[in-house]
Amino acid sequence: RKEVEQDPGPFNVPEGATVAFNCTYSNSASQSFFWYRQDCRKEPKLLMSVYSSGNEDGRFTAQLNRASQYISLLIRDSKLSDSATYLCVVNPMNRDDKIIFGKGTRLHILP
Amino acid sequence: EAQVTQNPRYLITVTGKKLTVTCSQNMNHEYMSWYRQDPGLGLRQIYYSMNVEVTDKGDVPEGYKVSRKEKRNFPLILESPSPNQTSLYFCASSPRQIDSYNEQFFGPGTRLTVL
Repeated sequence: RKEVEQDPGPFNVPEGATVAFNCTYSNSASQSFFWYRQDCRKEPKLLMSVYSSGNEDGRFTAQLNRASQYISLLIRDSKLSDSATYLCVVNPMNRDDKIIFGKGTRLHILP
Repeated sequence: EAQVTQNPRYLITVTGKKLTVTCSQNMNHEYMSWYRQDPGLGLRQIYYSMNVEVTDKGDVPEGYKVSRKEKRNFPLILESPSPNQTSLYFCASSPRQIDSYNEQFFGPGTRLTVL
């Protein structure tokens, strides 16, 4: 099983729809989790951290399922400006382990 | 303004000609890292540094060197660039690697082409 796995997409979604994608991770001892957003040829930027209890920021909701070892991102009422690649990031438990980036899921919001 | 800067932003060079990509952060972060991003392969870590004078190999360190003489700077050195090092490079910094919910701040990227 790959360390962090994401569906590469692309997800083509009409504007206003709700879209969700998951990220699975293999190391059950992983400590913290994030979603980053990356626009074409730009640097990744933090979208939101993922807390054990789940968290919501406006139209965005992130969830963590430790039992099944995945995190999810839900985008409601999608906007054209949500078109981007969404990267899942997993921080390890130990200092000797490495931060792992998923390869990203491409999202296209269609007018 | 809190930021990570990289220079140059774009570079076209030839095989074997030594080059350095600079990275600087003004947030007093302990942790700094270099990544390369290639289509279909995602972000791969080259080297990272937990603090001054402490550097460690990431997943793809071959052909690269780094140094961390000062907290704010973390240059990436390609002693003898080869065409397979053509890529988009990102520098990133973070307060500490291991802490709950530490955000990494990325520089704008350096697009390197080795002919």
